[in-house]
Amino acid sequence: DGGITQSPKYLFRKEGQNVTLSCEQNLNHDAMYWYRQDPGQGLRLIYYSQIVNDFQKGDIAEGYSVSREKKESFPLTVTSAQKNPTAFYLCASSPRSGGNQPQHFGDGTRLSIL
Amino acid sequence: KQEVTQIPAALSVPEGENLVLNCSFTDSAIYNLQWFRQDPGKGLTSLLLIQSSQREQTSGRLNASLDKSSGRSTLYIAASQPGDSATYLCAARDDKIIFGKGTRLHILP
Repeated sequence: DGGITQSPKYLFRKEGQNVTLSCEQNLNHDAMYWYRQDPGQGLRLIYYSQIVNDFQKGDIAEGYSVSREKKESFPLTVTSAQKNPTAFYLCASSPRSGGNQPQHFGDGTRLSIL
Repeated sequence: KQEVTQIPAALSVPEGENLVLNCSFTDSAIYNLQWFRQDPGKGLTSLLLIQSSQREQTSGRLNASLDKSSGRSTLYIAASQPGDSATYLCAARDDKIIFGKGTRLHILP
């Protein structure tokens, strides 16, 4: 079945440590996105990519980094510069960015600080 | 700057009732508006997407309407069931996709 796979489901980070969240899609979608969700809040855009080897900052990119070396993969690294990383992270994809393309979401990764 | 607001933040209704969830947005220059469902600890499932040229979309017991001029969208759920209990999010798309904070819906058996 086609879909978006996020791993791991739960992740713990020590102070000063970088961690990487995985997002893989087999939907052949061009555009991929990373969102952060805090309790009782909507989703806020961290980074997005419209095509391989290209990505743009969203509204809250500070303390995060991404890469898009393959169409299927869009990993997110939460760096030690992100001072409040505890949140639920959601990856999404769409056939292309802009226009009227619906987004498809993974099941999320919950990141906590030890 | 686009802002999306959902009212109410939480709603409890008895099983079988029809209900309406509200979504408002401040900038009417949108490409589309999308409604999602989120179960606890899960990702988002797309329910309905209404393009800017459309007035409504229907899927089963769900009907979503869009009034760009007033900056409003509603999600109508007919004959509610306990399985409808979830958080419902709307998202308005212009150059970005802006999400509301959601409405937590609880259907009482």
